[in-house]
Amino acid sequence: GNSVTQMEGPVTLSEEAFLTINCTYTATGYPSLFWYVQYPGEGLQLLLKATKADDKGSNKGFEATYRKETTSFHLEKGSVQVSDSAVYFCALDNAGNMLTFGGGTRLMVKP
Amino acid sequence: DVKVTQSSRYLVKRTGEKVFLECVQDMDHENMFWYRQDPGLGLRLIYFSYDVKMKEKGDIPEGYSVSREKKERFSLILESASTNQTSMYLCASSSEGGGRGNGNSPLHFGNGTRLTVT
Repeated sequence: GNSVTQMEGPVTLSEEAFLTINCTYTATGYPSLFWYVQYPGEGLQLLLKATKADDKGSNKGFEATYRKETTSFHLEKGSVQVSDSAVYFCALDNAGNMLTFGGGTRLMVKP
Repeated sequence: DVKVTQSSRYLVKRTGEKVFLECVQDMDHENMFWYRQDPGLGLRLIYFSYDVKMKEKGDIPEGYSVSREKKERFSLILESASTNQTSMYLCASSSEGGGRGNGNSPLHFGNGTRLTVT
């Protein structure tokens, strides 16, 4: 079956620090990969996606590259802001099946 | 922008009560979903619907049912609430017919309903 594993949080960083949130997956075939973000008090919203190997998704300064050889889709940002404090979810969709979500990683950015 | 509205932000119910969680989307989306969100477990799919009066079980349907009488509205029903159903419930919708939240049509989420069963 499909599964997504994320690093446990919380991740606490100072403003302008470099961010990496690890995500690895298990799936047959060639899934599409996603990062969703949940800001405090809100629902999830799509942050970025990649639909095939070596694709790089990017949005709002965040990036993630679909690495089939390591089955990973790590989220990175070069300089985080306090407003990036949120919970980040990695997810995959395998050939039209339901999205499978990771457990979520809480990011806290201190000024 | 797509708007997905969940009728209640917070609910407190007693064990054994019948509970209705309502969700409405305003973008004519075919697909609608109910998830529950628990710390460390991420989101788990309870039920989904890809058309009016159609429903399919997700990963954890036990103790829940759903109703989709109109395209814009998808209701989650707890027939007899139990304390292990205390959770955050998230409704979502997507536009792709038959494609259930895949790369061509992201999920749009409501802000969630935090249900406490005492």
